[in-house]
Amino acid sequence: GQQVMQIPQYQHVQEGEDFTTYCNSSTTLSNIQWYKQRPGGHPVFLIQLVKSGEVKKQKRLTFQFGEAKKNSSLHITATQTTDVGTYFCAGPSGTYKYIFGTGTRLKVLA
Amino acid sequence: NAGVTQTPKFQVLKTGQSMTLQCAQDMNHNSMYWYRQDPGMGLRLIYYSASEGTTDKGEVPNGYNVSRLNKREFSLRLESAAPSQTSVYFCASTGRGLSEQFFGPGTRLTVL
Repeated sequence: GQQVMQIPQYQHVQEGEDFTTYCNSSTTLSNIQWYKQRPGGHPVFLIQLVKSGEVKKQKRLTFQFGEAKKNSSLHITATQTTDVGTYFCAGPSGTYKYIFGTGTRLKVLA
Repeated sequence: NAGVTQTPKFQVLKTGQSMTLQCAQDMNHNSMYWYRQDPGMGLRLIYYSASEGTTDKGEVPNGYNVSRLNKREFSLRLESAAPSQTSVYFCASTGRGLSEQFFGPGTRLTVL
């Protein structure tokens, strides 16, 4: 069946270092979503990418959708303690539902 | 607007007990979802309702039932709880098809 994998599973960085998480799908995706979940909280939508090769920026966050629409990445420049949490990608499976990746847990050391 | 609300926030059950998790949204969304989240497993879809009056199985439906009571409410029932159902349960909704999902605060369920 369709799978969405994320690497790495965990990442510890010093505050100010950069961070990247990668998302890989076993099938071509029509779009991809990214969510952030703070410790003890619920997932919160960050962005949706639709076009092949699309790059979108939100302040220090850069999101990229691969040319083949089977992979995506989230890059955070100069991490801050507020970036702590788990980042999930999600790809559509059918018309109404998504499959979530396993997530990358980010810890930022001050 | 409250967005997506879930009750209860915490629950402890004994094996074999039953309970219903409640979810409501006030955004006039068509589609609603129930996920469970286990450490290292990400979010797995249990059931979803594409629109009022319809429900469908997700990845892990065994041991659960759902009811889309009306457009606002989508409940998840555990008929005979098992320790393997210890998890955090999230309800989510979306306005149309494959768009942004809004999540509730979650229910932390422990089955002893």
